[in-house]
Amino acid sequence: GQQLNQSPQSMFIQEGEDVSMNCTSSSIFNTWLWYKQDPGEGPVLLIALYKAGELTSNGRLTAQFGITRKDSFLNISASIPSDVGIYFCAPANNAGNNRKLIWGLGTSLAVNP
Amino acid sequence: KAGVTQTPRYLIKTRGQQVTLSCSPISGHRSVSWYQQTPGQGLQFLFEYFSETQRNKGNFPGRFSGRQFSNSRSEMNVSTLELGDSALYLCASSSGGLHHNEQFFGPGTRLTVL
Repeated sequence: GQQLNQSPQSMFIQEGEDVSMNCTSSSIFNTWLWYKQDPGEGPVLLIALYKAGELTSNGRLTAQFGITRKDSFLNISASIPSDVGIYFCAPANNAGNNRKLIWGLGTSLAVNP
Repeated sequence: KAGVTQTPRYLIKTRGQQVTLSCSPISGHRSVSWYQQTPGQGLQFLFEYFSETQRNKGNFPGRFSGRQFSNSRSEMNVSTLELGDSALYLCASSSGGLHHNEQFFGPGTRLTVL
């Protein structure tokens, strides 16, 4: 089956620091999505990547779709307290009928003000 | 546009009972997916409905079922509840078009089985 590794599992940083997290897989995907989940809420889509090598920003967030199509990273610059939450990568293949997302186990981010 | 809504937000049931959860997708979205989320297991895909038809299914027992109505609203049902069914159940909708995988989530229903 498809294996998806998201790391680190958790991070505790100081406000203002930059953050980097990544996902790697043994399988090739043609879509990488990054979501953030706040406590008690559903995940919210942050960035969607559709092309190998694509680098996309959303405010202080930057994500890249790896050239091999087996990995992706998410960077957060100048972290603030509201960045606290769980970040998930969710790749997919939009091929045939198997178009469901595969979910990482998440990176839990804590920010010390 | 209003977001995805789920009802109820919280539910407490006992083992052996059955439960029905409801999801109203974003207006115009025809695809609804359901997930189970538990600590340490992440989001586990249950099933996806598109235009009233189940299009994808995860690896859950037959006690978990769902349906979608003509207005795209969806329900999922869990029969003969077990303690291990305690989880946050999330519903997500998408347009079903080119960017099908861009799913928008509701706040979830927190189910506790005693």
